[in-house]
Amino acid sequence: EPEVTQTPSHQVTQMGQEVILRCVPISNHLYFYWYRQILGQKVEFLVSFYNNEISEKSEIFDDQFSVERPDGSNFTLKIRSTKLEDSAMYFCASSSTQGALNTGELFFGEGSRLTVL
Amino acid sequence: GNSVTQMEGPVTLSEEAFLTINCTYTATGYPSLFWYVQYPGEGLQLLLKATKADDKGSNKGFEATYRKETTSFHLEKGSVQVSDSAVYFCALKENSGYSTLTFGKGTMLLVSP
Repeated sequence: EPEVTQTPSHQVTQMGQEVILRCVPISNHLYFYWYRQILGQKVEFLVSFYNNEISEKSEIFDDQFSVERPDGSNFTLKIRSTKLEDSAMYFCASSSTQGALNTGELFFGEGSRLTVL
Repeated sequence: GNSVTQMEGPVTLSEEAFLTINCTYTATGYPSLFWYVQYPGEGLQLLLKATKADDKGSNKGFEATYRKETTSFHLEKGSVQVSDSAVYFCALKENSGYSTLTFGKGTMLLVSP
């Protein structure tokens, strides 16, 4: 069964360092997402991506965040200068449709846990 | 704005016990409602959904009914199994535009033999 895969599963970094989280969405999906969950808090939407551009982003997704689809398979989230409060589980997801056509079924990866020291 | 509130976990049950995980929501329109589940070591996956008031979503013995009057979507199962141990997330999505899923915090369920 097709699945979304994420790497690394856990990354520890120093404050101020750049981090890249990688995701391989399901191959025939066209819409990609990043969510995050700070420990003990809600799963929060960060950004959605379609046709090589951001289609929607939340207030959390400020200038220190960026997303890219560098080739036909990977979808990355970059945090330029990490802060302590960026420590969270980051989930990548993909879907075959978006918006009003989307039934709401997103396919998620296992998550990448980021710890900023 | 939209929000989802779930009961705090962990919920600890013995096998074959009845399960209820409460979920209430706040939305500006008439959203679709979802339950996602995350088994250990896996990603979140859709468990069930309901797209309008009074709809009942069901899957794998789990059920949830969309209650507009109480803005609730409580998850129930008549007889839980050890394999149901997971984290359960309630979520909503507006039925217009390019809106995304709004999740609750998740509720961990632990079922013992």
